[in-house]
Amino acid sequence: DTAVSQTPKYLVTQMGNDKSIKCEQNLGHDTMYWYKQDSKKFLKIMFSYNNKELIINETVPNRFSPKSPDKAHLNLHINSLELGDSAVYFCASSTRGAGNEQFFGPGTRLTVL
Amino acid sequence: AQRVTQPEKLLSVFKGAPVELKCNYSYSGSPELFWYVQYSRQRLQLLLRHISRESIKGFTADLNKGETSFHLKKPFAQEEDSAMYYCALSSGGGADGLTFGKGTHLIIQP
Repeated sequence: DTAVSQTPKYLVTQMGNDKSIKCEQNLGHDTMYWYKQDSKKFLKIMFSYNNKELIINETVPNRFSPKSPDKAHLNLHINSLELGDSAVYFCASSTRGAGNEQFFGPGTRLTVL
Repeated sequence: AQRVTQPEKLLSVFKGAPVELKCNYSYSGSPELFWYVQYSRQRLQLLLRHISRESIKGFTADLNKGETSFHLKKPFAQEEDSAMYYCALSSGGGADGLTFGKGTHLIIQP
């Protein structure tokens, strides 16, 4: 299937742990993103990345770091997890350009206990 | 800073009635505006964008720069329209990602 995929779909972990969420797209896009959706369904950009630049939303704690092994992958690493990190995390990809459609992954529901 | 406002958290209308989901934006430049939709248990997907000027599933949205609005409209609601709708803005060549409104949960009653 041609799509954006994320693993795992659900992630339950203890406070203080370090975890990663993987994202892969096979659409040939050059730009990938991470969004956070909170309990009130509010979506907020965390990072946007292509092979030339990483743009970080200034409100994102430095415990969060994106890592891109290649153009098709943008993984999200989270260190020292906190209760407030519980949310649904969405990966997306697009071709570069403000008017271009973003394609979203199915989301990863992270629960921090 | 750019901002997208969707004043209605929840909108409930009867099948066959007209629907209007409001969206206002704040941005000093020329933004690109979108409507994304999330049906139950499905991923977020693009519904329409202002540069396309098209109608998708009977929905239209017109960018009004004077009122800084991009309201989503459909003349006759259908039950399958029930979903979460997000208005979004893109700027800076797209490098900054999308700025979303808080979303409107649309419920179409039979």
